[in-house]
Amino acid sequence: AQSVTQLGSHVSVSEGALVLLRCNYSSSVPPYLFWYVQYPNQGLQLLLKYTSAATLVKGINGFEAEFKKSETSFHLTKPSAHMSDAAEYFCAVSGYSSASKIIFGSGTRLSIRP
Amino acid sequence: DAGVIQSPRHEVTEMGQEVTLRCKPISGHDYLFWYRQTMMRGLELLIYFNNNVPIDDSGMPEDRFSAKMPNASFSTLKIQPSEPRDSAVYFCASSSREDYGYTFGSGTRLTVV
Repeated sequence: AQSVTQLGSHVSVSEGALVLLRCNYSSSVPPYLFWYVQYPNQGLQLLLKYTSAATLVKGINGFEAEFKKSETSFHLTKPSAHMSDAAEYFCAVSGYSSASKIIFGSGTRLSIRP
Repeated sequence: DAGVIQSPRHEVTEMGQEVTLRCKPISGHDYLFWYRQTMMRGLELLIYFNNNVPIDDSGMPEDRFSAKMPNASFSTLKIQPSEPRDSAVYFCASSSREDYGYTFGSGTRLTVV
């Protein structure tokens, strides 16, 4: 069975500050891990994905995430927050089949203070 | 590509009525997923198809829900009869074996009054 836990349902940072959204996973098989972003009244958009290649994964909009097996973590970071980053972020996990069903975390709402 | 297309974007219906949600996946994608999103339960996988065949429907809440995929370019999710607790945003997503991660549609916001 697989699951993800997102720590913090709401994170608020100042514009220009570091963004850190936390995600821990549980998986009985080597996982594929994802971060998705959802803007208001829109569907989910893939930010980045880890598929057992490089442990540091770079995504769109300046986001990156590092896979740490020893910590079972896949935290999302961005060095400098922008107002347009305000959205809901979902961490997700699937098995090693590329089309396995993806299990999503409960989401973290990111707010950016001017 | 136009992406995953869902219709309608919004649906308001009365309790007891039949509701049909529609999805057109990305051409060439052979996996299709239906999710439901609510504040209380987050994102729930309802059912998914591979090559038009239902693979896992364990997330379908009850017999009032049914999904079909008559061909590679079209799928429906039907609720009959609808109830207020079915109010949610329903997302369709598609994927291919070579593509890790899904592409989501914009969703259908269903309100049952």
